[in-house]
Amino acid sequence: EAGVTQFPSHSVIEKGQTVTLRCDPISGHDNLYWYRRVMGKEIKFLLHFVKESKQDESGMPNNRFLAERTGGTYSTLKVQPAELEDSGVYFCASSQTRDRVSYEQYFGPGTRLTVT
Amino acid sequence: TQLLEQSPQFLSIQEGENLTVYCNSSSVFSSLQWYRQEPGEGPVLLVTVVTGGEVKKLKRLTFQFGDARKDSSLHITAAQPGDTGLYLCAGFRGSTLGRLYFGRGTQLTVWP
Repeated sequence: EAGVTQFPSHSVIEKGQTVTLRCDPISGHDNLYWYRRVMGKEIKFLLHFVKESKQDESGMPNNRFLAERTGGTYSTLKVQPAELEDSGVYFCASSQTRDRVSYEQYFGPGTRLTVT
Repeated sequence: TQLLEQSPQFLSIQEGENLTVYCNSSSVFSSLQWYRQEPGEGPVLLVTVVTGGEVKKLKRLTFQFGDARKDSSLHITAAQPGDTGLYLCAGFRGSTLGRLYFGRGTQLTVWP
């Protein structure tokens, strides 16, 4: 079974440009999460999709970030316009739900974003 | 505000030594998890502890959840070079369908 995949693995862009990150969750996983790790800090939650609906987007830093999950399959996270402080590693995770319980989130390898 | 404080941040030991990594919070968690992360990869779940006072063993790794469900520890016996990696604690504060809160991690290096 394929794990969570993310594309691209690395992205270097200039301040003010736009970048779109993609996440393909494990097939059949209804829950999809985005997290971010800024250098020197802990991994922080950004948002949570259940199928195509945003369940919790309280971790999104500002309106320059837009996440979508059309059709409840893959998800994209767009940053527009990118700022220097957006640099970091963006992780996607997915999990399935059984009896309204899901303990394990499977993480992708991350996308390393560098804004110069 | 960082909810989970991990210590130490770095740990460098010789093969065969024992070590303990701590994860502390002033908040109660419904469950705590320990992950291991290798360079260029995402975190991989090692264990989930749910009940206060719970102890789980995974070969040479022992995980404990504090009685008040505010802290956890990871103990490795007779560390091996293959144990080298970044160890992360993370927890759920409510529903396990929601967000995980992470500590900053402990970078463990075991020298042969």
